[in-house]
Amino acid sequence: KAGVTQTPRYLIKTRGQQVTLSCSPISGHRSVSWYQQTPGQGLQFLFEYFSETQRNKGNFPGRFSGRQFSNSRSEMNVSTLELGDSALYLCASRAEVRPGMNTEAFFGQGTRLTVV
Amino acid sequence: GESVGLHLPTLSVQEGDNSIINCAYSNSASDYFIWYKQESGKGPQFIIDIRSNMDKRQGQRVTVLLNKTVKHLSLQIAATQPGDSAVYFCAEIRNAGNMLTFGGGTRLMVKP
Repeated sequence: KAGVTQTPRYLIKTRGQQVTLSCSPISGHRSVSWYQQTPGQGLQFLFEYFSETQRNKGNFPGRFSGRQFSNSRSEMNVSTLELGDSALYLCASRAEVRPGMNTEAFFGQGTRLTVV
Repeated sequence: GESVGLHLPTLSVQEGDNSIINCAYSNSASDYFIWYKQESGKGPQFIIDIRSNMDKRQGQRVTVLLNKTVKHLSLQIAATQPGDSAVYFCAEIRNAGNMLTFGGGTRLMVKP
């Protein structure tokens, strides 16, 4: 069974540009979450999608957005990039055995975004 | 604000010794906890989880202990190996939600 796949692995962008990152969850997993990892702030939750709907959102500005497709694949977009957006962006997928039951989240390798 | 944190940023152990990594949480409503291992250049890897109705869970060479009275979580690694060198994170999920809140991480260094 393939794991969580994130593309691309590395990106270099210029301030002011926008970027789209992609995540393919484990087959059968309908919950996809995104996290930002930086040395200073650690791992911070961005948002979570389930069945094409955003179910939870972290404390990030509106420049950070996402969506989920009918096949559970997800994308996140960051517009008007700032230097501080440089980070490792991680995607995690979870199987929801039944509503409200917590299950482990499996992470992809991440996309390393560098804003210059 | 409420958060999940770690006592020690770096832990250095001798190969073959047991390692104990600690984590404190502040939300008594948290009902699910996970330990992750992250190696350089990789995403976090699931190690073991525990639900709030348990106080101990064992895996292969790893044991997680949960003390709800003092809101403390620990990860014990038996016979630590060089391959265990990584950063370890604890994470919590609150109230059957879907958002992981991570601690700051502890770097485990295994000396041969």
